[in-house]
Amino acid sequence: DGGITQSPKYLFRKEGQNVTLSCEQNLNHDAMYWYRQDPGQGLRLIYYSQIVNDFQKGDIAEGYSVSREKKESFPLTVTSAQKNPTAFYLCASSVRGGSGNSPLHFGNGTRLTVT
Amino acid sequence: AQTVTQSQPEMSVQEAETVTLSCTYDTSESDYYLFWYKQPPSRQMILVIRQEAYKQQNATENRFSVNFQKAAKSFSLKISDSQLGDAAMYFCAYRSVPGGFKTIFGAGTRLFVKA
Repeated sequence: DGGITQSPKYLFRKEGQNVTLSCEQNLNHDAMYWYRQDPGQGLRLIYYSQIVNDFQKGDIAEGYSVSREKKESFPLTVTSAQKNPTAFYLCASSVRGGSGNSPLHFGNGTRLTVT
Repeated sequence: AQTVTQSQPEMSVQEAETVTLSCTYDTSESDYYLFWYKQPPSRQMILVIRQEAYKQQNATENRFSVNFQKAAKSFSLKISDSQLGDAAMYFCAYRSVPGGFKTIFGAGTRLFVKA
């Protein structure tokens, strides 16, 4: 079955360390996205990518970085510059980013805790 | 900039009854899509229903239906014959048609279903 795999499910890091969250999809979707979810704030867009080797900043990109070297993969690095990194992170994909009716397909998320 | 507002942080419904979740949005665009996503305790976000702004007919998916009032910029979700499995966070979302790379989410409504 096709889907989006995020790993790990839970991640713990010390403050000052960079950490990379994995996101892999086998849906053959062109567009991929990273969202951050905090209680009471819904989902906020961190980065998105329409095609391989191209990505754009979302609303809250500061302190994060991404790469899109393969269509299937869109890893997110949370750097030490992110002031409040503890959150739930969701990866998503869609058939075509520019097609408004293409819904988002989500992974199961990664809960990152930084102490 | 577009915004999505869900004014009900929590709602509860008796099993087999009907409940309506509210959503309003703000946009200057005339063409867009609206979505309702469900996030159960497993945290896996799934699409519940979608509505195209140029269609006047309200979308329905089995027990789920929407009341789309374009002039009022309102997009409520009605769940009929509520089931225990409907308990979840529900997010209303907006997406532009031209260049629709960005989906904007509301803060969510947590729905409790009482047996």
